[in-house]
Amino acid sequence: SQTIHQWPATLVQPVGSPLSLECTVEGTSNPNLYWYRQAAGRGLQLLFYSVGIGQISSEVPQNLSASRPQDRQFILSSKKLLLSDSGFYLCAWSSNGRNIQYFGAGTRLSVL
Amino acid sequence: AQSVTQLGSHVSVSEGALVLLRCNYSSSVPPYLFWYVQYPNQGLQLLLKYTSAATLVKGINGFEAEFKKSETSFHLTKPSAHMSDAAEYFCAVHGNKLVFGAGTILRVKS
Repeated sequence: SQTIHQWPATLVQPVGSPLSLECTVEGTSNPNLYWYRQAAGRGLQLLFYSVGIGQISSEVPQNLSASRPQDRQFILSSKKLLLSDSGFYLCAWSSNGRNIQYFGAGTRLSVL
Repeated sequence: AQSVTQLGSHVSVSEGALVLLRCNYSSSVPPYLFWYVQYPNQGLQLLLKYTSAATLVKGINGFEAEFKKSETSFHLTKPSAHMSDAAEYFCAVHGNKLVFGAGTILRVKS
């Protein structure tokens, strides 16, 4: 069966520090991968998605970037965090050509 | 383009009472519709999905939803609420991409 892992679960970082969140999927190949941010009362905002290695689409211009160095690995990064980057970050995957997305457990990021 | 409106950011019901969470959507293409549930500090879990087969869709944990094209609605129901149903629920529509509603927090009173 397929599983998705995100880490860390919780992260507290100072303003101006770098960020790296990692997401990996097991049990499938060539998945579509997604990064979302969730702010209280505002639902989920799609940040990035990827349909293959090195292929990244950005939905919202911002302080963050994403990379997909391997087929089942998706990384969310920032060079310098802002206070407004605080939130709950969720990684998700779907099979190529299918609409159902499956989510990781999320990372709670607090920028202080 | 797609959009989702969830009516009511907070819903409170008594244990054993009917749960009704409302979702209206708009989509320029025939939609796929989903309900997800999120427990505190966890990811989203798929409850059920509508993919143009039966209009009444049954999901996990006793939930079901009915697709009504004329009303552009996909409301989520459960006949009898349990304490364990307390969570946040998200409606989502997939036309050319997946778009989520703002979520409804369900509180179940004992």
